[in-house]
Amino acid sequence: AQKVTQAQTEISVVEKEDVTLDCVYETRDTTYYLFWYKQPPSGELVFLIRRNSFDEQNEISGRYSWNFQKSTSSFNFTITASQVVDSAVYFCALSEPKTSGSRLTFGEGTQLTVNP
Amino acid sequence: DAGVIQSPRHEVTEMGQEVTLRCKPISGHNSLFWYRQTMMRGLELLIYFNNNVPIDDSGMPEDRFSAKMPNASFSTLKIQPSEPRDSAVYFCASSRNRWETQYFGPGTRLLVL
Repeated sequence: AQKVTQAQTEISVVEKEDVTLDCVYETRDTTYYLFWYKQPPSGELVFLIRRNSFDEQNEISGRYSWNFQKSTSSFNFTITASQVVDSAVYFCALSEPKTSGSRLTFGEGTQLTVNP
Repeated sequence: DAGVIQSPRHEVTEMGQEVTLRCKPISGHNSLFWYRQTMMRGLELLIYFNNNVPIDDSGMPEDRFSAKMPNASFSTLKIQPSEPRDSAVYFCASSRNRWETQYFGPGTRLLVL
């Protein structure tokens, strides 16, 4: 079974639209960490955010916001007023210290294209 | 501060040749990770080190792959002999300790012909 599911393979929006990228995870650990990384066309992996399982507060950073809901095992990422520079592949990842040590388990990624 | 440094950025080699990928972690980081990214399998952990000691190498595909970390500022991933199916992007990442956020290098794009 997939531990991290990003059901949206590709999303295409027009600039200034809001867009939400979904992430659903599966774990039996009580302590775990969730991450989002961005992979722009240049190929590097850029860290965006890290949340631990005990902190369900939503987070906002500029145009980016994250909604963590343990009840639905989801950690969704919203970009407000999208820009062309947001075009990238976005990965959600899970760390389960008890089960998997320091390994990051990645979802398959969502390709976001923002058109001008 | 410099991020994770990887070299080479691109490598093209022929099947059967030895390939060595290099990584310099962020200064002060005690944990180092090697990941591989392919279309078929996505991003997967190959091996990680904590304080220069290999902790989990369960992701290393087979004996053709080996990794070393002789000191806190340098690691290598070696493939010998290389095969076309090893073609992938290899990322190195480091973190302050094994439980902290992993920061990734730019990757090495390997093509084995």
